Amino acid sequence: GDSVTQMEGPVTLSEEAFLTINCTYTATGYPSLFWYVQYPGEGLQLLLKATKADDKGSNKGFEATYRKETTSFHLEKGSVQVSDSAVYFCALSSTNAGKSTFGDGTTLTVKP
Amino acid sequence: GAGVSQSPRYKVAKRGQDVALRCDPISGHVSLFWYQQALGQGPEFLTYFQNEAQLDKSGLPSDRFFAERPEGSVSTLKIQRTQQEDSAVYLCASSLAVWGDEQYFGPGTRLTVT
Repeated sequence: GDSVTQMEGPVTLSEEAFLTINCTYTATGYPSLFWYVQYPGEGLQLLLKATKADDKGSNKGFEATYRKETTSFHLEKGSVQVSDSAVYFCALSSTNAGKSTFGDGTTLTVKP
Repeated sequence: GAGVSQSPRYKVAKRGQDVALRCDPISGHVSLFWYQQALGQGPEFLTYFQNEAQLDKSGLPSDRFFAERPEGSVSTLKIQRTQQEDSAVYLCASSLAVWGDEQYFGPGTRLTVT
């Protein structure tokens, strides 16, 4: 079945540092890929998505590229801010199934 | 517009009690999902509705779990004879499309079984 493996956390960075959170997946067919973010005390919300190979999703300075050859969708940001502190979830949704499959989440803490 | 809402936000139940969790999706969203999220883990799929039809209930952990969406809008997740292992956050999400689209999540209901 489908699965998502995320880089284990927690991750602690200083403000303005470079961020990478690794995500790899296993799926049948050609899934859509997502990064969701959960800020403290809030619900899950979509950060970015990509629906086909080589697509790049981007939002709020975050980027991730759909790499079919390596089955990866790594999240990157060039300069993190304290306000980026949150839990980040990688997820996929197969084209023949409604549900999404999530990774276990990576907690990011950014210190000033 | 209004997002996905869930009620109650917190529920404490004694072991053996029945509970009902409600989800109000975004108006017009065809798809509705229920997930269970244990502490420190990602959401785990429970069940999926397309309008009023329950198309996938493969994630329901036992026959004590039951979900319905009778008019294709509001959904209720019912857990009978709650057990301690049912303690988790229950998330509802809705989506405009049938599949492969982004999901909009509610704030969740935190269920604690004592």
